[in-house]
Amino acid sequence: KAGVTQTPRYLIKTRGQQVTLSCSPISGHRSVSWYQQTPGQGLQFLFEYFSETQRNKGNFPGRFSGRQFSNSRSEMNVSTLELGDSALYLCASSLRQGLAEAFFGQGTRLTVV
Amino acid sequence: DAKTTQPPSMDCAEGRAANLPCNHSTISGNEYVYWYRQIHSQGPQYIIHGLKNNETNEMASLIITEDRKSSTLILPHATLRDTAVYYCIVRGNTNAGKSTFGDGTTLTVKP
Repeated sequence: KAGVTQTPRYLIKTRGQQVTLSCSPISGHRSVSWYQQTPGQGLQFLFEYFSETQRNKGNFPGRFSGRQFSNSRSEMNVSTLELGDSALYLCASSLRQGLAEAFFGQGTRLTVV
Repeated sequence: DAKTTQPPSMDCAEGRAANLPCNHSTISGNEYVYWYRQIHSQGPQYIIHGLKNNETNEMASLIITEDRKSSTLILPHATLRDTAVYYCIVRGNTNAGKSTFGDGTTLTVKP
């Protein structure tokens, strides 16, 4: 079956702009989680969606937001980009909430200049 | 979520068993132990998880101590492709988890 698809794979944006990243989960998976990965901070949890509702949120400012659609696809948005937002953004999908057997996408590499 | 402690790095000879330890002394009764690994430039890959019983699947075995304060991931016959960062995560199977991955253990399998 097809894996988790994240688009785009690479993105370059300017400070102050906003960006939207997309994640298509594995068919039948209803849970989607987002993570930010940077060399200094490691893998940090952003938020988790299940059945179109945000179930958990990490410690990120309000500039980071997300949503999940009825087909389980998810988007995350970062407004007013800062240099420190440069990171690999990873999406994971699973059948149920939680970490059990979650499948990760390849990520979107965002560079803010 | 409970905090986990893992050694920053370990080496293992190819073909030998790799035993990766994880301490989670503040784990609570409803929290599971999950193991993921991340090979360079790829997204993390699920390996195994457990609550209190030992678990085994096609990839690895998970041994959880009786007091649940520590666990060991065992890769029975490590190959060069098992070189990766291994993360031990503790999280409740409820709405209240934030899935902190921590720094993990960099396992290097050597020929």
